This record gives sequence, structure tokens and C-alpha cells, in this order.
Amino acid sequence: GNSVTQMEGPVTLSEEAFLTINCTYTATGYPSLFWYVQYPGEGLQLLLKATKADDKGSNKGFEATYRKETTSFHLEKGSVQVSDSAVYFCALFRGSNYKLTFGKGTLLTVNP
Amino acid sequence: EPEVTQTPSHQVTQMGQEVILRCVPISNHLYFYWYRQILGQKVEFLVSFYNNEISEKSEIFDDQFSVERPDGSNFTLKIRSTKLEDSAMYFCASRGQGTDTQYFGPGTRLTVL
Repeated sequence: GNSVTQMEGPVTLSEEAFLTINCTYTATGYPSLFWYVQYPGEGLQLLLKATKADDKGSNKGFEATYRKETTSFHLEKGSVQVSDSAVYFCALFRGSNYKLTFGKGTLLTVNP
Repeated sequence: EPEVTQTPSHQVTQMGQEVILRCVPISNHLYFYWYRQILGQKVEFLVSFYNNEISEKSEIFDDQFSVERPDGSNFTLKIRSTKLEDSAMYFCASRGQGTDTQYFGPGTRLTVL
């Protein structure tokens, strides 16, 4: 079946540091890939997505590139801010029902 | 901006009791989902719902679980006889026709004692 493995946290960075959160997946065919973010006390919000190989999703300074050859979708940001502190979830869907398969989530804390 | 809402934010219940978790999806959405996250574990799919029917369910979604859209706005998850292992955060999500993005609510934390 489908599965997502992401880097376990917590990850603690200083403001303006470079962020990478690794995500790899197992799925047949070409799944759609997502990063969701959960800020404290809020629901899961879509951060970015990519639907085919070599697509780059981007939003709010975050980027992730769909790499079919390495089955990866790593999240990056060049300069993190305190307001980026949240839990980040990598997810995929494959198939007509659009059910999402999630990774365990990575807690990011950015210190001033 | 339209959003998915869930009530209550936290529910505490005794083992064996029935609970109903409520969700109000985005108003023009047609596809509805429940997921759960046991503390420290992955977010897991429970069930999807479309056109007043379950379209898919996971092995977790056994006879103790049911879903309903009782009116035009609410979408509920019922657990008939709660177990300790049902303690988790439950997320509702909805999706519009012709889109691939699910919008999630803030979750209900269920604690079974």
C-alpha cells in the first residue's frame, strides 16, 4: 500500500536559518504530493502541492520538488521565521477517492 | 475565507459511552472525510463520504463507527461504544467538486477514560 516517511523531529532552528524536512514515499504510479502545516491550536492547512514528476510546489517561501527517481518531496525554506513554528505533514493521494496518506509530522520550532 | 469547523474542541468520555463529533464542512463542498491521529502517531484515514454514502472506509472504521450528514450543513462521526484506544485527535475535511485539495478543521481531541 501507499506510505509516507518523513524526518522525525523535533527540529529547532534559529531565525533566518535554512530548513529542510525530508519526505519519501512509496506508492504505485504517480501520486499527488502535498505538504500540510498545522499551527498551534489550528487545523491542517495546505502549504503546497505537486501533481506530477519534476513539478515544484511553492508557497510562503517554502518549496518542494516532486522527484520520481528518488520518490521524494523534501520541504525547503531558505530563511525561516519565528512564525513558521508549526508541525509539518507530508502526504500523498493516489486513486479516485482522494484519501490522503500522511507521514507522522515534524515539529519545527524557530527561535528568535 | 470559508473554513471547516468542528465541535467540540475537546471531548472527555467514559469507556463504553457513545460520542458524536460534529463538523461543518465548507458550504459548497461535496466530499467529506474523517481522519484521526493517535498521539505521537500518523494521521490516519477513517472514512470518506459522498452523495450521502460512504465511498471508502479503512479497517479502523468498524461497526462501532458511523457517519451521517443529518442536514445540509453538518457531518458527524459517531462512536457507539468508546474504547480507550479511541483516544485521539479527530479531523474532519471537505473537498469541492473538481479539485484535489482537502480543507481540514481544527480537530476534536477525544479522551476516553
